[in-house]
Amino acid sequence: DGGITQSPKYLFRKEGQNVTLSCEQNLNHDAMYWYRQDPGQGLRLIYYSQIVNDFQKGDIAEGYSVSREKKESFPLTVTSAQKNPTAFYLCASRLAGGSDTQYFGPGTRLTVL
Amino acid sequence: GQQVMQIPQYQHVQEGEDFTTYCNSSTTLSNIQWYKQRPGGHPVFLIQLVKSGEVKKQKRLTFQFGEAKKNSSLHITATQTTDVGTYFCADGGTSYGKLTFGQGTILTVHP
Repeated sequence: DGGITQSPKYLFRKEGQNVTLSCEQNLNHDAMYWYRQDPGQGLRLIYYSQIVNDFQKGDIAEGYSVSREKKESFPLTVTSAQKNPTAFYLCASRLAGGSDTQYFGPGTRLTVL
Repeated sequence: GQQVMQIPQYQHVQEGEDFTTYCNSSTTLSNIQWYKQRPGGHPVFLIQLVKSGEVKKQKRLTFQFGEAKKNSSLHITATQTTDVGTYFCADGGTSYGKLTFGQGTILTVHP
């Protein structure tokens, strides 16, 4: 089956620890995106990447970092510098040059204790 | 920066009633996309509107794009309990395929 996978579904961390969220896609999509969703709010863009080894900051990049070493993978690290990291994190991908439709993974719910 | 305002934030309806959510922008939109997110789930693409005044239908769902391409609406006729979830509009015309999402409308359907 083609799709986007995110792991784990639920993640708990202690305050002050860095944590890396996984995002993998086998859709052969060029572009990948990370969003953060808080209760009652829309999705806010953290980082995005159009091609391997290149990525750009989104609207709320502070306290986060990413890498894009492979086309299929776009991991997100939530660092200890992120003031309020507890949220639902969604990864998405899009076929560059195609429609603007984004395909979302199932999400990771991060809780920092 | 570009903002997309969506109203209402919440809508509670009885099963069988109609539902509408509205999306507004202060600037002209290149295109508008609609997504549905079931409780506990992830956003799923519903449709994209590109042309001024465009109307598209998917069974009980009707999507409209305003003549000035600054607003859009999603109307559901005769809601069912399977329609529950959050409906998002998103401006799809920003650079690099970035989407700017509205805040979403949370729909609750009472049986």
